[in-house]
Amino acid sequence: DAKTTQPNSMESNEEEPVHLPCNHSTISGTDYIHWYRQLPSQGPEYVIHGLTSNVNNRMASLAIAEDRKSSTLILHRATLRDAAVYYCILKTSYDKVIFGPGTSLSVIP
Amino acid sequence: ETGVTQTPRHLVMGMTNKKSLKCEQHLGHNAMYWYKQSAKKPLELMFVYSLEERVENNSVPSRFSPECPNSSHLFLHLHTLQPEDSALYLCASSQDVGGGQPQHFGDGTRLSIL
Repeated sequence: DAKTTQPNSMESNEEEPVHLPCNHSTISGTDYIHWYRQLPSQGPEYVIHGLTSNVNNRMASLAIAEDRKSSTLILHRATLRDAAVYYCILKTSYDKVIFGPGTSLSVIP
Repeated sequence: ETGVTQTPRHLVMGMTNKKSLKCEQHLGHNAMYWYKQSAKKPLELMFVYSLEERVENNSVPSRFSPECPNSSHLFLHLHTLQPEDSALYLCASSQDVGGGQPQHFGDGTRLSIL
């Protein structure tokens, strides 16, 4: 079973920020939090990852709760190209990876 | 350009056929993976290779046989498949198998079993 839980779907208006939540209450000290997204007919695309501190890159920001039991992926300005399924996964040093069903994000023009 | 190339993109085969899926990565990575994505199901990790040695086999039926001849190439040999094996097969690579290493995915091979 997946070690993370996410809402099945979310909607956002174009050019507005989007906050995608993820719960991982059983996270261990060695688990990294990774986010991927998948567009139709494509393989998953890496978005961002972190361990304890918040992270920023050109695609998104990752906010990690102090107790690490939850995290939020932040897209600062949603575009139509951001419509995808977003996966939050935990990844240990041995690389055991379990994907859940993810969050299907719709962006409304 | 993802850096991970999978061929063929689509494959239709009968249950008695033998075929192979190919994955090639141009990223200089040392770890490679096979995933299965069935309709309306999450991605399932099948096999993990690190430095050309298999390090993970998630109870995959023996009709799926992986091969990693070098760190840039990964194959999935298929034989005597069942209709429920119809799925999108994804290959990925990462610098190593460490938890902090992101995976780079190909666009997959869509496999249909007649």
